[in-house]
Amino acid sequence: AQSVAQPEDQVNVAEGNPLTVKCTYSVSGNPYLFWYVQYPNRGLQFLLKYITGDNLVKGSYGFEAEFNKSQTSFHLKKPSALVSDSALYFCAVRGLNTGTASKLTFGTGTRLQVTL
Amino acid sequence: DAGVTQSPTHLIKTRGQQVTLRCSPISGHKSVSWYQQVLGQGPQFIFQYYEKEERGRGNFPDRFSARQFPNYSSELNVNALLLGDSALYLCASSPGLAGGLGGELFFGEGSRLTVL
Repeated sequence: AQSVAQPEDQVNVAEGNPLTVKCTYSVSGNPYLFWYVQYPNRGLQFLLKYITGDNLVKGSYGFEAEFNKSQTSFHLKKPSALVSDSALYFCAVRGLNTGTASKLTFGTGTRLQVTL
Repeated sequence: DAGVTQSPTHLIKTRGQQVTLRCSPISGHKSVSWYQQVLGQGPQFIFQYYEKEERGRGNFPDRFSARQFPNYSSELNVNALLLGDSALYLCASSPGLAGGLGGELFFGEGSRLTVL
């Protein structure tokens, strides 16, 4: 079975400061890893993904994530936070051997609050 | 280009009733997946349909059913509604069975169901 843990319910950061949202995963074999963002009363928007290759992946809106296989982590980062980044962030995993190809397993989400 | 569209956006039902939710995928996408997002939790996989066939089912009771039509749109049906079925129901589409180029899904805005 695959699983995702987001250990922080909320992350608070001042605008202009760097931010990190943590994610660890468990899956058989090599993982597909994703970050999605959800604004209030909206669906999920894709931010970035790791499939293979460079451990540092870059995505939308200046976000990036670092894949660490030994620590089974995929932390989301941004060098300089904006107030408009305030939202709910979900990490998700899909194993390469998943019979149901589109089955993503999501974490419980981390609320990012960026203040002036 | 139109994204994934879902209807209705909000609806209120009473216990024991039945509900049908609808989803139109992005043009050219042949796979539709359904997820349930209970308040404060991450989305949970319900179904995946590809080329009108069920390709995967999550851990949901038989009260949940779905189908996909020749134009790749999809319906999710829930019978004998319970209070615990109150949630945001998300539809996601992808070009093929394995998701987008890297496995990502494209989500709609969701249908928010309240069961009283």
